[in-house]
Amino acid sequence: AQSVTQLDSHVSVSEGTPVLLRCNYSSSYSPSLFWYVQHPNKGLQLLLKYTSAATLVKGINGFEAEFKKSETSFHLTKPSAHMSDAAEYFCVKAGTASKLTFGTGTRLQVTL
Amino acid sequence: SQTIHQWPATLVQPVGSPLSLECTVEGTSNPNLYWYRQAAGRGLQLLFYSVGIGQISSEVPQNLSASRPQDRQFILSSKKLLLSDSGFYLCAWSVGSGRQETQYFGPGTRLLVL
Repeated sequence: AQSVTQLDSHVSVSEGTPVLLRCNYSSSYSPSLFWYVQHPNKGLQLLLKYTSAATLVKGINGFEAEFKKSETSFHLTKPSAHMSDAAEYFCVKAGTASKLTFGTGTRLQVTL
Repeated sequence: SQTIHQWPATLVQPVGSPLSLECTVEGTSNPNLYWYRQAAGRGLQLLFYSVGIGQISSEVPQNLSASRPQDRQFILSSKKLLLSDSGFYLCAWSVGSGRQETQYFGPGTRLLVL
């Protein structure tokens, strides 16, 4: 099955420490991949997207992700967490006919 | 720049009552439009999508329907709400196709059916 797996449902980091949110995908081709962030009771905001150009993708708010075809991974990282980064993060794969496959989400908690 | 609006932001409705949620997009023409539902603690489920006026595709058989009366307007409706219709409803838009297509989401409507 074509799917997206977010390996951690919950990640907790201290403010100022690195963030790593893991995502693996399955696909018979190199898909377009996205990371979205959702703050409580808000819509999804696009952080970054991979569409087959550079494998290291830089996004907003200091986030970046690296597409690794050999590992079928698209992990999201940030060098230094900020309190405002606390939110739910979704890894998303684009399929055919504009259909998106969503991961189950990772809740990021940032502590002082 | 493009913006997407949804209203109302929050809605509390009794079981059996009708529903109408509206989504409008500004700053673009002929967008693809989408309705998603996000149940509490769960991921997003695609409900409907539209590639043009009057063109609606339904993804999941359910108590809901969608309409697109204008190019940048997408409406989600129900004649009689069920308890299971509670959730967070998100509208999204995109342009283009293939690898260049990216969906952008609205602020959402929180629906509670009692």
